Amino acid sequence: ETGVTQTPRHLVMGMTNKKSLKCEQHLGHNAMYWYKQSAKKPLELMFVYNFKEQTENNSVPSRFSPECPNSSHLFLHLHTLQPEDSALYLCASSPERASYNEQFFGPGTRLTVL
Amino acid sequence: TQLLEQSPQFLSIQEGENLTVYCNSSSVFSSLQWYRQEPGEGPVLLVTVVTGGEVKKLKRLTFQFGDARKDSSLHITAAQPGDTGLYLCAGGDQFYFGTGTSLTVIP
Repeated sequence: ETGVTQTPRHLVMGMTNKKSLKCEQHLGHNAMYWYKQSAKKPLELMFVYNFKEQTENNSVPSRFSPECPNSSHLFLHLHTLQPEDSALYLCASSPERASYNEQFFGPGTRLTVL
Repeated sequence: TQLLEQSPQFLSIQEGENLTVYCNSSSVFSSLQWYRQEPGEGPVLLVTVVTGGEVKKLKRLTFQFGDARKDSSLHITAAQPGDTGLYLCAGGDQFYFGTGTSLTVIP
């Protein structure tokens, strides 16, 4: 496989469920990102990891919990979500955390919270 | 927060027409990037502009970075159906993205 992959591609969950989103990159990059894309709103940066260390948490509610076990894998653990959390969740990677670096995005996970 | 406003929000044109989309901010950016996102996919980088007044060309796409590095434009010549997608500008140390321009090119 090449590039950035995300699983699952679609997820429907109730507000009391616990689920996890997975992202894997095969590009040898050291920075990984989680974004939220909602209708009629700009892409919102959620978390940034650089060399496995979390460098940014953009005031994301604690019901979203990221995990980066190594530079190739990134998880987003979800629990007790709200319907307004329904969105497309995009993972991205770049050589390192720098604003001028190209980010490579995965196809996203379409999340629906009932 | 470095807000990036894009216009127009939606654009539907006939194949062969020219178009320009804009990305504006009140903040200065050290660099701006343009991405295109197709349905069911993540954004894909088209170009990065870093110097005020810079113009970059990518086949039928021309990108310009404003002299003051607060705005940018994307001009497409002779649009084709394959250009259909959501065009996003992005910049800043916190990876701010614009609201996007959804382009539809009708055959």
